Amino acid sequence: AQSVTQLGSHVSVSEGALVLLRCNYSSSVPPYLFWYVQYPNQGLQLLLKYTSAATLVKGINGFEAEFKKSETSFHLTKPSAHMSDAAEYFCAVSAGEYNFNKFYFGSGTKLNVKP
Amino acid sequence: EAGVTQFPSHSVIEKGQTVTLRCDPISGHDNLYWYRRVMGKEIKFLLHFVKESKQDESGMPNNRFLAERTGGTYSTLKVQPAELEDSGVYFCASSHYVDEQYFGPGTRLTVT
Repeated sequence: AQSVTQLGSHVSVSEGALVLLRCNYSSSVPPYLFWYVQYPNQGLQLLLKYTSAATLVKGINGFEAEFKKSETSFHLTKPSAHMSDAAEYFCAVSAGEYNFNKFYFGSGTKLNVKP
Repeated sequence: EAGVTQFPSHSVIEKGQTVTLRCDPISGHDNLYWYRRVMGKEIKFLLHFVKESKQDESGMPNNRFLAERTGGTYSTLKVQPAELEDSGVYFCASSHYVDEQYFGPGTRLTVT
């Protein structure tokens, strides 16, 4: 089975500072990887996805993530945090070569942005 | 295009009662998924429908949970009888292609 580890359940940054949310996964086959964001009282919104194309993936709202196979990582970054980025972020990996439909999620990281 | 909708948004029931959650996927999406997040932990897969057929129900916790998707449109997830550990947020998602799932806002279930 796949597993996803998000380091840090809470991350706090100042407005304008770099955002770095960490995600490591375990997978025996090339995975599909995703970052979702959940704003308060809303559903999960897809930020970006990696599906075996370019390793540096750009998403919405200025976020990007880099797939590093050697490190089994897919960290999410944004150069300059904005107050509106405060939300909970989830990293997810698909189940693998024969079942891309089943997603495994991390425990989530709540991002707090200080003025 | 309307997104995935779920009803109700919140439900509070007593242990032993029955609750039915509903999910309406995005129109035209054959794939429909149920997930659950318990007590701030990871979001866990429950099952996957392709049209009206259960493709994968490996995540269903036990036989107190019954999911249906009659006609291949909306889906229901029934919990009967509910236990305290069933409390959590139940998410529904739908997709046309396998590389992108669209999630609903979730139903927060509290069993007292």
